[in-house]
Amino acid sequence: QQQVKQSPQSLIVQKGGISIINCAYENTAFDYFPWYQQFPGKGPALLIAIRPDVSEKKEGRFTISFNKSAKQFSLHIMDSQPGDSATYFCAPVSGGGADGLTFGKGTHLIIQP
Amino acid sequence: GAGVSQSPSNKVTEKGKDVELRCDPISGHTALYWYRQSLGQGLEFLIYFQGNSAPDKSGLPSDRFSAERTGGSVSTLTIQRTQQEDSAVYLCASSLGDSYNEQFFGPGTRLTVL
Repeated sequence: QQQVKQSPQSLIVQKGGISIINCAYENTAFDYFPWYQQFPGKGPALLIAIRPDVSEKKEGRFTISFNKSAKQFSLHIMDSQPGDSATYFCAPVSGGGADGLTFGKGTHLIIQP
Repeated sequence: GAGVSQSPSNKVTEKGKDVELRCDPISGHTALYWYRQSLGQGLEFLIYFQGNSAPDKSGLPSDRFSAERTGGSVSTLTIQRTQQEDSAVYLCASSLGDSYNEQFFGPGTRLTVL
């Protein structure tokens, strides 16, 4: 059973535009909703994360929107830059993720100059 | 170095050989995780250690895979009798071990089984 569905698989956005990546989940026990960013040849790195007691969290150009009733959360990248070109993974977990992460399939984002 | 380190960075082996992959976590991190990243399967959780013990081994793909951690620090992932489907990037991460603590990933070991 696939617990996490991430979309789209790939995304091309013009510089300055808004990039939106979505993650749908099934497990209502999830209580921590992080997004990871991965550049080629590197391991993933935590970008931003949200807990279910808030509906939105913003850090600079990056925003997570969380919809508990729909069991969805999304990553918005405002004013997208070529340096944002990377693969993004959602990795919702229960228990804060102390026992390991389950990643979505990833979204390959390309920001065109 | 302040980050998670892994060695070797690349490993090419022949089918049927055993391989050992090493992970050096961030100093002071009690939790250590192994993941596998491949084109077909994405990022898969393999196993995690809290200190030297591994409470959850359910992610290991088969009994050819094993992992150990000694002294609460360095960990090795061993794959016996490698198969071509074992070709992937093996990633290690470490964290302070409590809930909601960030996992810091190493650069990975790219394993190619010929």
